[in-house]
Amino acid sequence: LAKTTQPISMDSYEGQEVNITCSHNNIATNDYITWYQQFPSQGPRFIIQGYKTKVTNEVASLFIPADRKSSTLSLPRVSLSDTAVYYCFLFSGSARQLTFGSGTQLTVLP
Amino acid sequence: GAGVSQSPRYKVTKRGQDVTLRCDPISSHATLYWYQQALGQGPEFLTYFNYEAQPDKSGLPSDRFSAERPEGSISTLTIQRTEQRDSAMYRCASSLLYGGADQETQYFGPGTRLLVL
Repeated sequence: LAKTTQPISMDSYEGQEVNITCSHNNIATNDYITWYQQFPSQGPRFIIQGYKTKVTNEVASLFIPADRKSSTLSLPRVSLSDTAVYYCFLFSGSARQLTFGSGTQLTVLP
Repeated sequence: GAGVSQSPRYKVTKRGQDVTLRCDPISSHATLYWYQQALGQGPEFLTYFNYEAQPDKSGLPSDRFSAERPEGSISTLTIQRTEQRDSAMYRCASSLLYGGADQETQYFGPGTRLLVL
């Protein structure tokens, strides 16, 4: 399974834009890039997914360069409640499980 | 149901005992997954079901672990002869689609915290 690499932790301040980059050098043609968010004592929650270029929803944006070897999750104007662990992973239709990366602990400071 | 539910939420057992964890997925969801999450780590895949079929159980760490979904809805995860290293959060997730190449969103339950003494 393709492996992902993310920063272990990041700090930000309220109101700032946060960008978390995930590396996936061995991404396969069929892989989708997906980000989940996990608060303490809760299960992971889907944020966004994409295959190439840019995807935006009401929560975040996902930027994927042409070679797809990395992706960047962008959270606009974070608040304290965005403090969580963010997981990047690749999903392949041939293997339905989620292979979570190490996760990035985002801490938003007042 | 409105969301994925799991029971019990907490389970404390003694080494060598068997435990059974239950997952009740979202009612319209065909696919159900089990993950194990150690403290401070991301969830690790154990197995999944498409309805009652279990196409992949490659993540089960040993033959002490087994899972069932006999009627394609509720699933149980059983750990026989528990060991201290089995202590973890066990999470269940479900998704709507069966088959296909596109990813489908997985909805996670609150988990069962297992502590083996």
